[in-house]
Amino acid sequence: EVQLVESGGVVVQPGGSLRLSCATSGFTFREYTMHWVRQAPGKGLEWISLISWDGSGTYYADSVKGRFTISRDNSKNSLYLQMNSLRREDTALYYCTKEGGKYYYFNNGLDVWGQGTTVSVSS
Amino acid sequence: QSLLTQPPSASGTPGQRATISCSGSSSNIGSNSVNWYRQLPGTAPKLLIYRNNERPSGVPDRFSGSKSGTSASLAISGLQSEDEADYYCAAWDDSLKGPVFGGGTKLTVL
Repeated sequence: EVQLVESGGVVVQPGGSLRLSCATSGFTFREYTMHWVRQAPGKGLEWISLISWDGSGTYYADSVKGRFTISRDNSKNSLYLQMNSLRREDTALYYCTKEGGKYYYFNNGLDVWGQGTTVSVSS
Repeated sequence: QSLLTQPPSASGTPGQRATISCSGSSSNIGSNSVNWYRQLPGTAPKLLIYRNNERPSGVPDRFSGSKSGTSASLAISGLQSEDEADYYCAAWDDSLKGPVFGGGTKLTVL
């Protein structure tokens, strides 16, 4: 069974930093692009970042560019999101999610999602 | 303001057919495929349709997708009470160099 399990979400002050992790299992991690998608309370889905299967390609939404860094460790089947200079508007449930097709960026849909980890930016 | 525009709400009665629209532009829907997701309350989104009209394994054929030009639609036939959920469209945007989601449509089964 394919599983994605996020961790690392906490309450943090504005301007602070946080690192989210996503542990994966049940598929060949190194063959798939991975994404982070967030959902602010009561709001819709917002894509924030992707990393290609081999880590050579990374993309960011304008809202997080220059503050967040996505990375992966294929030897540990894990995905990460380093979040710096956090703002109140970064408060959200953060989902780790997997591209549905091997070696694609966003062609076959995001077919598996974790349950999310909550980040709250508040003083 | 999302680059993909969905109606905030839609409704139908059990057994009826409901459709949800998603309007974009030449940089997203006009040149890339569309995916649809369903999010039940308190749960993670689930992929319903990919590549405009393909269903993942396990998704019933009551769900169908279509695309024409810079717009796409999700159709749900034989509405059931458990179809009450939020539905999102998504597509890659060539200008932003990343995926964009629609604002979501809340479907109510009356």
